[in-house]
Amino acid sequence: DAGVTQSPTHLIKTRGQQVTLRCSPKSGHDTVSWYQQALGQGPQFIFQYYEEEERQRGNFPDRFSGHQFPNYSSELNVNALLLGDSALYLCASIRTRGETQYFGPGTRLLVL
Amino acid sequence: QKEVEQDPGPLSVPEGAIVSLNCTYSNSAFQYFMWYRQYSRKGPELLMYTYSSGNKEDGRFTAQVDKSSKYISLFIRDSQPSDSATYLCAMSAGGNNRLAFGKGNQVVVIP
Repeated sequence: DAGVTQSPTHLIKTRGQQVTLRCSPKSGHDTVSWYQQALGQGPQFIFQYYEEEERQRGNFPDRFSGHQFPNYSSELNVNALLLGDSALYLCASIRTRGETQYFGPGTRLLVL
Repeated sequence: QKEVEQDPGPLSVPEGAIVSLNCTYSNSAFQYFMWYRQYSRKGPELLMYTYSSGNKEDGRFTAQVDKSSKYISLFIRDSQPSDSATYLCAMSAGGNNRLAFGKGNQVVVIP
């Protein structure tokens, strides 16, 4: 049973650039959430996708956007990168009426 | 006041000791309470999950939730060097709702 997968594992960008991160949910899961984890901090909720629509959103600017595909996989896009966007980006998935979210290994983004 | 408070101070214990971790929270809507373990540079791994108040035991791990005090705990008995990791408390109002995390506790078990 494949767990949550994310790509790429690492990424280096410069300020002002744009980045796209990808996530495939755990088998049988249809809801995907994205979290940002800064060094030494707990993950912060960015947004959640279900049925290809953004269902919930945390306190993140519009530079952060996403998409969910018919196969439930998801993308996170960040425009106009800032140094403060450097973090571990985590994807989590859950099935409808599930009770616990499962996380992928994350994508480590460094903005120079 | 933050939604979830977890004293982030590192914790070093000798092998075999009991590790005690806790979190407090302010949002009364939280019903689902989780502990995740995160090894360095990896994604969080679900360790324990409890719905509403009560205790749950799984091997060497015990999770406790006291909703009246808005306080949750995790105990690790007979700690092993392989338990060395960061432990994150997390909670949500519903299974599909956003997770609110504490800052995490870095635990080091010394052989």
